[in-house]
Amino acid sequence: AQSVTQPDIHITVSEGASLELRCNYSYGATPYLFWYVQSPGQGLQLLLKYFSGDTLVQGIKGFEAEFKRSQSSFNLRKPSVHWSDAAEYFCAEYSGGGADGLTFGKGTHLIIQP
Amino acid sequence: DVKVTQSSRYLVKRTGEKVFLECVQDMDHENMFWYRQDPGLGLRLIYFSYDVKMKEKGDIPEGYSVSREKKERFSLILESASTNQTSMYLCASSYSVGNIQYFGAGTRLSVL
Repeated sequence: AQSVTQPDIHITVSEGASLELRCNYSYGATPYLFWYVQSPGQGLQLLLKYFSGDTLVQGIKGFEAEFKRSQSSFNLRKPSVHWSDAAEYFCAEYSGGGADGLTFGKGTHLIIQP
Repeated sequence: DVKVTQSSRYLVKRTGEKVFLECVQDMDHENMFWYRQDPGLGLRLIYFSYDVKMKEKGDIPEGYSVSREKKERFSLILESASTNQTSMYLCASSYSVGNIQYFGAGTRLSVL
């Protein structure tokens, strides 16, 4: 069964510092990959997606992610975080071949220190 | 903008009650999903529908059923609510399988 791993349950970053959230996917062929953000008490909002093409994808709110097939990774980055980035971040994968929904990682809780 | 609306943000129900969670999307999407979100477990797919009156079981369908009588509406039904169904429930829709999913704000259900 496919799985998505987010190794870090919590990450604390100082405001203005750079950020990298890790994500590893299991289905290697041609995955569709997503990063979503969830603010407290809210639904999920799409930050960015990768379907094919350029392995560095740009998203909203200054986020980017890089697809690395050799490492089965799709890490999310931001050069300088703001206090409003504090939220839960989910990586997700769709591997095709069926009628299922996305497979989500368990999430990374981002804390921003002043 | 795509809008996915869940009818209730918070619900409190008693054990054994029949519970309906409603979800409506306004983008004529073919696919609709119900997920359950629990701390430390992420999102888990309960049921999925790819057309009116069509449904597929997800990873954790036990104790749940769904109804899709109209394209824009997808209902999650707890036939006899139990305390272990206390959770956040998220509805999503997408144009096609594998495409971007758009989420509602969620319904936080407490079963007492």
